[in-house]
Amino acid sequence: DGGITQSPKYLFRKEGQNVTLSCEQNLNHDAMYWYRQDPGQGLRLIYYSQIVNDFQKGDIAEGYSVSREKKESFPLTVTSAQKNPTAFYLCASSTAGTKNTGELFFGEGSRLTVL
Amino acid sequence: GNSVTQMEGPVTLSEEAFLTINCTYTATGYPSLFWYVQYPGEGLQLLLKATKADDKGSNKGFEATYRKETTSFHLEKGSVQVSDSAVYFCAPPFSGGYNKLIFGAGTRLAVHP
Repeated sequence: DGGITQSPKYLFRKEGQNVTLSCEQNLNHDAMYWYRQDPGQGLRLIYYSQIVNDFQKGDIAEGYSVSREKKESFPLTVTSAQKNPTAFYLCASSTAGTKNTGELFFGEGSRLTVL
Repeated sequence: GNSVTQMEGPVTLSEEAFLTINCTYTATGYPSLFWYVQYPGEGLQLLLKATKADDKGSNKGFEATYRKETTSFHLEKGSVQVSDSAVYFCAPPFSGGYNKLIFGAGTRLAVHP
């Protein structure tokens, strides 16, 4: 089935460590996104990519990094510079440009806890 | 830019009660409108959508009608179930081009037996 796969579902990290969250999609979508969700709050955009080898910062990019070397993959690295990384991370994808219907397809999320 | 105002939660209902979650939007032109649902511990998934004025989106017993005159897209269900307990997000209207959706906190629905 087509969809978005995020891994791992749960991740524990010690302070000072970098961690990388995986996001893979087989929907042939050009655009991919990373959101952060904190309890009782909305989704905040971290990074987004409209096309391979290109990405832009969202509203809360500090302490995070991404790459888009393949259309199917958009990994997010949470660096030690991120002051409060404990959160639920959601990856999404969509069509782009003139084919964009506006619908976002989300993964199941990754819950990161810093010990 | 396009934006939405969604009623705050939590909303607590008994099983088989009627549900309304209000959503009004600001946008130019004729955007597409979406409702997403997030079940506990999961990502968001599309619940329903409408792409033009007076369209009614429906899914799993939920409905929302695209009201251009009142710029609203209220979510309704005639008889909620415990399994409907989730967070519901009214997404910002999509008017084409780049898709940078900013989601609010959503409305948490708790349905009790």
